[in-house]
Amino acid sequence: GDSVTQMEGPVTLSEEAFLTINCTYTATGYPSLFWYVQYPGEGLQLLLKATKADDKGSNKGFEATYRKETTSFHLEKGSVQVSDSAVYFCALGYNFNKFYFGSGTKLNVKP
Amino acid sequence: DAMVIQNPRYQVTQFGKPVTLSCSQTLNHNVMYWYQQKSSQAPKLLFHYYDKDFNNEADTPDNFQSRRPNTSFCFLDIRSPGLGDAAMYLCATSRETSGGENEQFFGPGTRLTVL
Repeated sequence: GDSVTQMEGPVTLSEEAFLTINCTYTATGYPSLFWYVQYPGEGLQLLLKATKADDKGSNKGFEATYRKETTSFHLEKGSVQVSDSAVYFCALGYNFNKFYFGSGTKLNVKP
Repeated sequence: DAMVIQNPRYQVTQFGKPVTLSCSQTLNHNVMYWYQQKSSQAPKLLFHYYDKDFNNEADTPDNFQSRRPNTSFCFLDIRSPGLGDAAMYLCATSRETSGGENEQFFGPGTRLTVL
């Protein structure tokens, strides 16, 4: 079946450090892949997405590439800020059907 | 701005007392979802509506029901809340597309406390 596996957190970084959060997936079809971010007490906000293999999603300095050969969608940012502290969820989904979420990775960025 | 709105943001109920959570959307999306999220966990899909068609997840307890009276509104009814139902409840929407860009748009959530 379909599933998403994320690296366990929390991840603690200093400001301006490089960020990688690993995400791998198992899919029975051809899903779209997503990264969502959740700030404390809030709902999920779409951070970026990729709809097919080799697509790169990017937003606010974050990037992730849909790699079919390694079934991965790792999230990266070159220089994190304190304001990036949040929980990040990797997800896969098919048209108007359920999403499969990873377990979430909490990121703490220290000044 | 087009958005997904959830009311109330915080809800306190007593053990066994029915409670209704509300979701509305101005995106005119045809699909609406309800998720339950417990602390430090991924959101868990309870059910979704595709237009008027209701789709229940196999492991959603009977205690959870939903209504969608029109495109804009969707309600989550918990008939007899237990302590284990305390959680954040997230509403989300998406729209049918031909391009596979089916991201879900989430509301801010309702935090349910059961006393």
